Amino acid sequence: AQTVTQSQPEMSVQEAETVTLSCTYDTSESDYYLFWYKQPPSRQMILVIRQEAYKQQNATENRFSVNFQKAAKSFSLKISDSQLGDAAMYFCAYRTLTSGTYKYIFGTGTRLKVLA
Amino acid sequence: DTGVSQNPRHKITKRGQNVTFRCDPISEHNRLYWYRQTLGQGPEFLTYFQNEAQLEKSRLLSDRFSAERPKGSFSTLEIQRTEQGDSAMYLCASSLGQAKGYTFGSGTRLTVV
Repeated sequence: AQTVTQSQPEMSVQEAETVTLSCTYDTSESDYYLFWYKQPPSRQMILVIRQEAYKQQNATENRFSVNFQKAAKSFSLKISDSQLGDAAMYFCAYRTLTSGTYKYIFGTGTRLKVLA
Repeated sequence: DTGVSQNPRHKITKRGQNVTFRCDPISEHNRLYWYRQTLGQGPEFLTYFQNEAQLEKSRLLSDRFSAERPKGSFSTLEIQRTEQGDSAMYLCASSLGQAKGYTFGSGTRLTVV
């Protein structure tokens, strides 16, 4: 069974600085998607960025980018020029394409604090 | 596009009572998902609908839980004979395909006392 591990329960970053959130996953499959979701306090989860496993190029979305290392099964999120609004729980998620299941598997999350 | 709507936002119920939650997905999304999230954890998959067909159910979904999506539009999640362990945030999400990721609703927070 696939698993997703986020080993950093909490991270802090100074406003305008850069922070990297870690995610590792375990799978025997070759085709899958990976996602980062943001969950602000008392608000709904929002998709931040996604990566198709067959693409070697790392995904970027404005200040958000990923470092996808398929062989190492690592999918870290880098937030550049951190803003106060980036403070939230961040969840890494895995979606298989090959085993006929439709679910996402989420990690336990990393709480990001942004210090003014 | 008003996003994914979930009602109620909060529900407090006594142990043993039945509760029903509603989810209205984005209108053009044919895929609908229910997840449960407890404090300090990531969302856990409960069930998946493609149009009106329930194509996948988690083992977490005991026989006290039932979900429907009549006519492939809104969905309901019912929990019968609630237990304190059912206290959680119940999240609904919808999508148009498998690649673009979900759009989540704001969730229904259930507290069983």
